Amino acid sequence: DIQLTQSPSFLSASVGDRVTITCRASQGISSYLAWYQQKPGKAPKLLIYAASTLQSGVPSRFSGSGSGTEFTLTISSLQPEDFATYYCQQLNSYLLTFGGGTKVEIK
Amino acid sequence: EVQLVESGGGLVQPGGSLRLSCAASGFTFSSYEMNWVRQAPGKGLEWVSYISSSGSTIYYADSVKGRFTISRDNAKNSLYLQMNSLRAEDTAVYYCARYSMTTVVTDYWGQGTLVTVSS
Repeated sequence: DIQLTQSPSFLSASVGDRVTITCRASQGISSYLAWYQQKPGKAPKLLIYAASTLQSGVPSRFSGSGSGTEFTLTISSLQPEDFATYYCQQLNSYLLTFGGGTKVEIK
Repeated sequence: EVQLVESGGGLVQPGGSLRLSCAASGFTFSSYEMNWVRQAPGKGLEWVSYISSSGSTIYYADSVKGRFTISRDNAKNSLYLQMNSLRAEDTAVYYCARYSMTTVVTDYWGQGTLVTVSS
């Protein structure tokens, strides 16, 4: 199975900060990577797919990059509603896997 | 509007069984592959199972293989997960998620249903 390692697992940031989360795959997955945002008690919300394509309706402050084994999610200017947990997901295989998550909290 | 609504969760004793359902609407269900994903309390997301649009191809996570069975009824726009020999570690919120072959992503998720395995 393809393993995804997300870092950091926790970060504390202020409104307006630029935030970057990294996701590393145990083997090459081309661009078959998605990013989700999850708030407590809610289902994951799709932010980005195909490594860098913004899902419709998602604010442009979110962006994704990378291919192969290393990927990043960047929030250019953190907003109060962005405090949540973020997960990467690989779809190179039908046996989907997720990163361990990054919890973004208010500093 | 795409909607996925899970049901069937609840409290079950270890060794027991439960059948989850996911009712789909707002899209041509028979054209889409589907997945079950779960999340234990306070933990991350874990993929459970995949089923192709016709139901002919199925995959399971090692953690549930031999105990869980995924199925679908395209005439009823419904996805199912039969869970047998339940263990405490199966306690989680279970989500159904639609897989889009076009964009290669699980683009729509249900709200989840909680399964608690405890005596």
